[in-house]
Amino acid sequence: DAKTTQPPSMDCAEGRAANLPCNHSTISGNEYVYWYRQIHSQGPQYIIHGLKNNETNEMASLIITEDRKSSTLILPHATLRDTAVYYCIVRSSRQSNDYKLSFGAGTTVTVRA
Amino acid sequence: NAGVTQTPKFRILKIGQSMTLQCTQDMNHNYMYWYRQDPGMGLKLIYYSVGAGITDKGEVPNGYNVSRSTTEDFPLRLELAAPSQTSVYFCASSPGLAELFFGEGSRLTVL
Repeated sequence: DAKTTQPPSMDCAEGRAANLPCNHSTISGNEYVYWYRQIHSQGPQYIIHGLKNNETNEMASLIITEDRKSSTLILPHATLRDTAVYYCIVRSSRQSNDYKLSFGAGTTVTVRA
Repeated sequence: NAGVTQTPKFRILKIGQSMTLQCTQDMNHNYMYWYRQDPGMGLKLIYYSVGAGITDKGEVPNGYNVSRSTTEDFPLRLELAAPSQTSVYFCASSPGLAELFFGEGSRLTVL
């Protein structure tokens, strides 16, 4: 599976959009980009995933560059409850490679009032 | 639905003791996983299962064993506990090539 690179930490102001970058320059054509987050001491929570097109759900938006080498997770109106570690993961769509989902160190996002 | 339930939530073990971390899910998911998370680190996959009777090693399987006799249950066995196994353990399940659902974690300390 392709590896990802994320900044170790970032701050954002409550009520503003939080833009979380992720680099996955070695991603292959059948690999999806997934985002999870982990609020302190809890199990990780799925946020969103995408392959090529931009995606939006009730939690966030995912913008994937045309060459698919990087992506940005957008939390449109960050709240204090969005303070968490955010993980960007690439995951193959081929069954033989799919189960070993690897979580790196992620980005620690702190939302400040 | 309860989702993924892990027990116990906290446990202290002495070096050399053994124990089983329980994980059960009520979503009829075929795929189940055990991860461990050391302080300040990401999650590392210990074992996973793609269905009842089928298990396989992840990144860090040494010192652990698993079984999967039913779709619902995926217990993780620690034999001869060592301080290096002090960690938070997360069980997860998924319906397939989709998102994982995690339990609340089991915090284990080996002294």
